[in-house]
Amino acid sequence: GQNIDQPTEMTATEGAIVQINCTYQTSGFNGLFWYQQHAGEAPTFLSYNVLDGLEEKGRFSSFLSRSKGYSYLLLKELQMKDSASYLCAVGDSNYQLIWGAGTKLIIKP
Amino acid sequence: IAGITQAPTSQILAAGRRMTLRCTQDMRHNAMYWYRQDLGLGLRLIHYSNTAGTTGKGEVPDGYSVSRANTDDFPLTLASAVPSQTSVYFCASSDRGASGANVLTFGAGSRLTVL
Repeated sequence: GQNIDQPTEMTATEGAIVQINCTYQTSGFNGLFWYQQHAGEAPTFLSYNVLDGLEEKGRFSSFLSRSKGYSYLLLKELQMKDSASYLCAVGDSNYQLIWGAGTKLIIKP
Repeated sequence: IAGITQAPTSQILAAGRRMTLRCTQDMRHNAMYWYRQDLGLGLRLIHYSNTAGTTGKGEVPDGYSVSRANTDDFPLTLASAVPSQTSVYFCASSDRGASGANVLTFGAGSRLTVL
């Protein structure tokens, strides 16, 4: 079966660094995506990895290891506005996205 | 402003009633999707359309139907609503390019409560 696993909730301090992990088992692989979703709002696209390695985009970086079925999202210099849920999704063999349940990130001052 | 418009934003519905959630995009994306989001679960695909005139079933299609008469509109219909269809519904679209990256743009969501 297809499965995406990520922690349900994480807490971090403003100004710190946090790493949100995602492991996956899917039929086929056409990229790994991270989305941010603030409470009561729509998910918005953060990053896309299709090759192994680290993709950096400002304060956010995303890493992929296809052989391990593993990705992480790294958030640096945390700000209160980063409090949100972070959704991991994998494109399957039909390019449809399989979604994890999301990680709720709580930022404390 | 380019994007996806969903309506209604919120609706309370009696069980057994018919309901259509509307979705319109102005980005000329070829693919459109309907998801439901429930607490503790990932987004689940209900139906999708890769291009105008075609539709396909997702992970949880039972009790729902869609149509794609043109590029911009992708309505979702609940023929006879049941309480288990209480959820937040998101419409999304994507422009699946040659790279294969399927980046979705989401509407603001429609919160549906079936009593």
